[in-house]
Amino acid sequence: QVQLVQSGAEVKKPGSSVKVSCKASGGTFSSYAISWVRQAPGQGLEWMGRIIPILGIANYAQKFQGRVTITADKSTSTAYMELSSLRSEDTAVYYCAREGGGCSGGSCYPGPLEYYMDVWGKGTTVTVSS
Amino acid sequence: QSVLTQPPSASGTPGQRVTISCSGSSSNIGSNTVNWYQQLPGTAPKLLIYSNNQRPSGVPDRFSGSKSGTSASLAISGLQSEDEADYYCAAWDDSLNGQGVFGGGTKLTVL
Repeated sequence: QVQLVQSGAEVKKPGSSVKVSCKASGGTFSSYAISWVRQAPGQGLEWMGRIIPILGIANYAQKFQGRVTITADKSTSTAYMELSSLRSEDTAVYYCAREGGGCSGGSCYPGPLEYYMDVWGKGTTVTVSS
Repeated sequence: QSVLTQPPSASGTPGQRVTISCSGSSSNIGSNTVNWYQQLPGTAPKLLIYSNNQRPSGVPDRFSGSKSGTSASLAISGLQSEDEADYYCAAWDDSLNGQGVFGGGTKLTVL
């Protein structure tokens, strides 16, 4: 049973950066892409970007271009999401999720054949406050 | 403003059938499959429907999905109190170099 274990809650100052990790266990990390989704308090889900570990390629939502960096370390089956120039509006729960459509041999590049997220981490709360 | 449009709320009584709509465009729902997530308070979203109408293992057959053109819908039959949750539709969008897009979410209340 695949699980995604995320790093713990963070409190950050405006203007700083945060890096959230997402470690996969119980499955083949490189055979799937990982998406990052955030949810501000009382708000809906917002897609931030994705990484294809087998290719090391990431793409990002236009809203976050230049501020977000998503990476993956195949040796530790861990994906990372780093968000810089934090502001109060970035206060949210950040989720990583596995794209269930699979990515055998990089087949999910440039876009997924089937886009859905079947395994989710429990979320990491990031609070931005002075 | 979400790319996909859902009604903010829906309601029904136990045993009833309710539907939640999701409207998009040719670059997302019109050309890609739709999936649905259920989110209970304080928990991560859970995949409910994928590829328009497929249920993951363990999801009751009371939940069903459909898609037509640039719209999709989620139907819940035999409504139960534990179905009270937020529901989100999602799809891949081929515009802007490709990105995932969500609906704004629908809060389902079981009366």
